Amino acid sequence: EAGVAQSPRYKIIEKRQSVAFWCNPISGHATLYWYQQILGQGPKLLIQFQNNGVVDDSQLPKDRFSAERLKGVDSTLKIQPAKLEDSAVYLCASSLTSGISYEQYFGPGTRLTVT
Amino acid sequence: AQTVTQSQPEMSVQEAETVTLSCTYDTSESDYYLFWYKQPPSRQMILVIRQEAYKQQNATENRFSVNFQKAAKSFSLKISDSQLGDAAMYFCAYTGNTPLVFGKGTRLSVIA
Repeated sequence: EAGVAQSPRYKIIEKRQSVAFWCNPISGHATLYWYQQILGQGPKLLIQFQNNGVVDDSQLPKDRFSAERLKGVDSTLKIQPAKLEDSAVYLCASSLTSGISYEQYFGPGTRLTVT
Repeated sequence: AQTVTQSQPEMSVQEAETVTLSCTYDTSESDYYLFWYKQPPSRQMILVIRQEAYKQQNATENRFSVNFQKAAKSFSLKISDSQLGDAAMYFCAYTGNTPLVFGKGTRLSVIA
């Protein structure tokens, strides 16, 4: 079974530029998550999708971050414009469905550096 | 809000020895899960072990076991017969009626 795929693995941009990350979850997984992991901290949930609907985006900085999962499969996370404090690893995870008993499977992440 | 605290930023262990990583959490919920995740330099989070709050028996997965003290809100991870491949960041995490909440992590070094 293929795991969660993410691209790119690394990205360096200047502040005020825009950037997009892509995630392909495990086949058949209805729930998709985007996390931000700042150096020295644990991951923090940015947004959770159930199929193509948003379940929780309470910690997403909506003035600059956006995410979509149009067909209920792949997802993109966009930052526009980027700030220095957005430097972090962005992790995508998926689970069979929502609910606390369902294991989340994580992708390898995208390391973003904003200069 | 639920919080997860890992008080040991770094730990080290000799190969083949046993090490215990500490985690405490704060919640008012009665139904929840606790997890330990491993994050090697490749950055991919890997689930090591999980514990359901209503189960009194401590979870065990091969060389990994937990000491779950519900009243004390403590959830420590014991790694027995440590191997070089165990070197990584370890994160304690909680979920109940909220999304996964992670601690800040403990960096484990294994000394050959």
